[in-house]
Amino acid sequence: KQEVTQIPAALSVPEGENLVLNCSFTDSAIYNLQWFRQDPGKGLTSLLLIQSSQREQTSGRLNASLDKSSGRSTLYIAASQPGDSATYLCAVTGNQFYFGTGTSLTVIP
Amino acid sequence: GAVVSQHPSWVICKSGTSVKIECRSLDFQATTMFWYRQFPKQSLMLMATSNEGSKATYEQGVEKDKFLINHASLTLSTLTVTSAHPEDSSFYICSARDWGQGFSGNTIYFGEGSWLTVV
Repeated sequence: KQEVTQIPAALSVPEGENLVLNCSFTDSAIYNLQWFRQDPGKGLTSLLLIQSSQREQTSGRLNASLDKSSGRSTLYIAASQPGDSATYLCAVTGNQFYFGTGTSLTVIP
Repeated sequence: GAVVSQHPSWVICKSGTSVKIECRSLDFQATTMFWYRQFPKQSLMLMATSNEGSKATYEQGVEKDKFLINHASLTLSTLTVTSAHPEDSSFYICSARDWGQGFSGNTIYFGEGSWLTVV
């Protein structure tokens, strides 16, 4: 069964720093990998989707990479802002979504 | 774009009662919907896969008699928590797959989620 792990579980950084969130998965037979953001008490917001044939995707200050062979993905956030504070989830897709354990990010003004 | 509507967003019920959560695909037909549960500070866990016109497929450890799933139409799936207890208090979220766009994996849309508190 697919297992998805995210490191670190929690991260606190001062505003303006660049940061990297890590996601690893055990089964490389995936269709794609997706990064989500979840604010407290809210549902999921999709940030970036990387198809299995792609290596990376970029949206604004966000860049996500995928190394399917090693079972790893990273989410890079440039010039972090307090509004980036949230929980970030990665999920891989086979026949269903398998979610990671999440990284709780706090950006300190 | 496609939207998945989940209702209610918040619900409080008494222990022992049942509560129903609806998940609707508003502008596409969803033959497959998924129900997830999230406990505080934990990741989302898949509870069951709901298939229109057939029985839901439950994940290991999920009581199918307690979490009743009905997917009677192509746009609606419901999750009923029966005889709810305080330990059932959680965040429940559904997602729906739009097969009309093919299985590229990027056609799964999430509802906003439902917070259930059992008192």
